[in-house]
Amino acid sequence: AQSVTQLGSHVSVSEGALVLLRCNYSSSVPPYLFWYVQYPNQGLQLLLKYTTGATLVKGINGFEAEFKKSETSFHLTKPSAHMSDAAEYFCALPGGYGQNFVFGPGTRLSVLP
Amino acid sequence: EAGVAQSPRYKIIEKRQSVAFWCNPISGHATLYWYQQILGQGPKLLIQFQNNGVVDDSQLPKDRFSAERLKGVDSTLKIQPAKLEDSAVYLCASSVLRSSYEQYFGPGTRLTVT
Repeated sequence: AQSVTQLGSHVSVSEGALVLLRCNYSSSVPPYLFWYVQYPNQGLQLLLKYTTGATLVKGINGFEAEFKKSETSFHLTKPSAHMSDAAEYFCALPGGYGQNFVFGPGTRLSVLP
Repeated sequence: EAGVAQSPRYKIIEKRQSVAFWCNPISGHATLYWYQQILGQGPKLLIQFQNNGVVDDSQLPKDRFSAERLKGVDSTLKIQPAKLEDSAVYLCASSVLRSSYEQYFGPGTRLTVT
């Protein structure tokens, strides 16, 4: 069965510092991988996705993620954190046959002034 | 284009009462999803519709939860009777096709069962 793990339920960084949010997956087939962001009291918004092709994927708000098959990872990074990046971030992949997404438990990002 | 609409945004009920949530997906989106997001966890799929047919409801607690999507557009999710553990945010999402993978989420309904 497909699964997603996110190391660190809460990550704090200073404004301007590098953001690194970790995602590892388990999949029996070549995966599609997604990062979603959830701001307080809002629904989820797609940040970026990997389907096929280039393993370095760029998304909105300056975020990017790199698919590493050998490490079964899809870590999310941003060179310089902004206060507005404070939110919950979810890694996800289709859960097998069909379209049922499996979401990771989420990582809450705090940005300190 | 207008996003996914959900109502109500908040609901407080007592256990054993019933409650219903409404979702209006993005126009033209054939696939509609209902998720349950318990505090501190990622969303869990409850049910998926393709047009007005159910594609997957394997994780829907059918003894108390029901959902329908009449005419392949709006959808309602009902809980009857509610339990304390049903306290969660209920998210609705839609996508153009099942194969598109890219889902658009509504703001959610926060349910508190007391």
